[in-house]
Amino acid sequence: KAGVTQTPRYLIKTRGQQVTLSCSPISGHRSVSWYQQTPGQGLQFLFEYFSETQRNKGNFPGRFSGRQFSNSRSEMNVSTLELGDSALYLCASSLDVGTVLAKNIQYFGAGTRLSVL
Amino acid sequence: AQTVTQSQPEMSVQEAETVTLSCTYDTSESNYYLFWYKQPPSRQMILVIRQEAYKQQNATENRFSVNFQKAAKSFSLKISDSQLGDTAMYFCAFMKHGILHGGSQGNLIFGKGTKLSVKP
Repeated sequence: KAGVTQTPRYLIKTRGQQVTLSCSPISGHRSVSWYQQTPGQGLQFLFEYFSETQRNKGNFPGRFSGRQFSNSRSEMNVSTLELGDSALYLCASSLDVGTVLAKNIQYFGAGTRLSVL
Repeated sequence: AQTVTQSQPEMSVQEAETVTLSCTYDTSESNYYLFWYKQPPSRQMILVIRQEAYKQQNATENRFSVNFQKAAKSFSLKISDSQLGDTAMYFCAFMKHGILHGGSQGNLIFGKGTKLSVKP
């Protein structure tokens, strides 16, 4: 079974531009979560999607948005890029968000390294 | 709000020895999940071990085991017979068990991580 796939692996953008990152979850997984990883702030939760609906959102500005398609693939978009947006963006998928622990285990992709110049 | 604290930014251990990584957390919830994830230099985050808060028995996965102390809000990871491949960043993470969604809240709260180096 293929793991979580994130594309592209690396991106270089300049301030003010926008960027779209893609995440394909493990087949059969319906929940997709996004995290930002930086040396200073560590791993921070951005948002979570389930059945094409945003179920949960972290404390990030509105420049960060996302969506999920009917096949559970997800994209996140960052508009008006700032230098501080340089980070590793990780996507994670899980079977479901339910009462059984096994369904809540999140499996991570390799990430997209975004550099904003 | 929940917080996770890993007080050891860096640790090193000799191959074949045992090492324990510390993690404490703060929550008012009674039901939740705890995880240890490993992120090797190649960056792919891998689940090492998990624990349900309502279970008193400590989880074990091969050379990895936890010491879960619910009252003390402590969740340490013990790695036995350390191997060179264990070299990585280790993150402790908390997931709330939410009632509204019929289960978890769908997001992990991570500690800052412990960089573990296994030396030959």
